[in-house]
Amino acid sequence: GNSVTQMEGPVTLSEEAFLTINCTYTATGYPSLFWYVQYPGEGLQLLLKATKADDKGSNKGFEATYRKETTSFHLEKGSVQVSDSAVYFCALISSGSARQLTFGSGTQLTVLP
Amino acid sequence: DAGVTQSPTHLIKTRGQQVTLRCSPKSGHDTVSWYQQALGQGPQFIFQYYEEEERQRGNFPDRFSGHQFPNYSSELNVNALLLGDSALYLCASSLEGLAGSETQYFGPGTRLLVL
Repeated sequence: GNSVTQMEGPVTLSEEAFLTINCTYTATGYPSLFWYVQYPGEGLQLLLKATKADDKGSNKGFEATYRKETTSFHLEKGSVQVSDSAVYFCALISSGSARQLTFGSGTQLTVLP
Repeated sequence: DAGVTQSPTHLIKTRGQQVTLRCSPKSGHDTVSWYQQALGQGPQFIFQYYEEEERQRGNFPDRFSGHQFPNYSSELNVNALLLGDSALYLCASSLEGLAGSETQYFGPGTRLLVL
């Protein structure tokens, strides 16, 4: 079956530090990959996505590249801000499925001023 | 452009009771999926509705049921509530059949507490 593995948190960084959150996956076919962000007390917001190998998703300074050879989709940001503090979820939808998202367990990020 | 809306925002029930949660999809979307997110965990897929039918179901018991209406809005019903049903229930919508239809947009969730 499908699965997503994220680096365990929590992650604590100083403002303007470089961020990497690792994500690897197991899936049948050619999945689409997503990063969602969840701010305290809120639902999930789509951060970025990539639908085929070597695609790079980007949004608000965050980037992730779909690496089929390493089955990875690591999230990066060059300079984090306090407002980036949230929980980040890596997720996939496997091709041919009825659009069922499979999520990782989430990574809590705290950015200190 | 109206996003996904859910009601109520919070709910407290006791064991054995029944609950109904509601979701209105993003404008123009026709597919609704429901997820359960326990505290500190990632969301787990419950089921998905398309054309007023349950199209796919995750590993949840029959106590969890749903419905989709002709206007694409949806309800999630949970019977015989257990303490373990306490969670954030998330609704997500998408549009079938077009490029980008794999993308699901989430509502703010309904937080259910079972005492």
